[in-house]
Amino acid sequence: QKEVEQNSGPLSVPEGAIASLNCTYSDRGSQSFFWYRQYSGKSPELIMFIYSNGDKEDGRFTAQLNKASQYVSLLIRDSQPSDSATYLCAVNISPYNNNDMRFGAGTRLTVKP
Amino acid sequence: EAQVTQNPRYLITVTGKKLTVTCSQNMNHEYMSWYRQDPGLGLRQIYYSMNVEVTDKGDVPEGYKVSRKEKRNFPLILESPSPNQTSLYFCASSVTGARYGYTFGSGTRLTVV
Repeated sequence: QKEVEQNSGPLSVPEGAIASLNCTYSDRGSQSFFWYRQYSGKSPELIMFIYSNGDKEDGRFTAQLNKASQYVSLLIRDSQPSDSATYLCAVNISPYNNNDMRFGAGTRLTVKP
Repeated sequence: EAQVTQNPRYLITVTGKKLTVTCSQNMNHEYMSWYRQDPGLGLRQIYYSMNVEVTDKGDVPEGYKVSRKEKRNFPLILESPSPNQTSLYFCASSVTGARYGYTFGSGTRLTVV
């Protein structure tokens, strides 16, 4: 089992809809969870991080964390064509290793006008 | 402007010809890391550094070397490149390591023929 798993997509939603991106992780000791956005040919850009169970909102983005289910998600409300990108889930797997960041393979999101 | 700068952006080389990809950050970050990104595999860590003269292997260190003689610079060295090292490479830095996420450079697309 991969340490961080995401549906590869592509996920297609109409403009204005809610896009829901999901990620599961294997290590129960994981402490920090991140969502990066990567436009085609560009570098990953950190858009959300979450450490505690529950929801964290930032503008149109909401990150949701459920440690019991080892599940983290990203909701994008009022999706815009500019949100079309690959979204990478990343997890700081080990609480004892501050450099142990593992990435999922990414979910490609397309928002259609 | 706070940034991580990688050079070159694109590189085509032949098998066995030593090359260096440079990485520099201007944010006084202690942590720096190199990743490679391959389709379907996501980002995988090659090496990381927690401070000057402190480096350690990531998940895929074979065929790579790094050095950290100054805080701002973290070059990636391929002593004898092979075609399986054809990939997209990212340098990243962070003030505190994986717990709070990384800032990525713009990437180096390497082709080894």
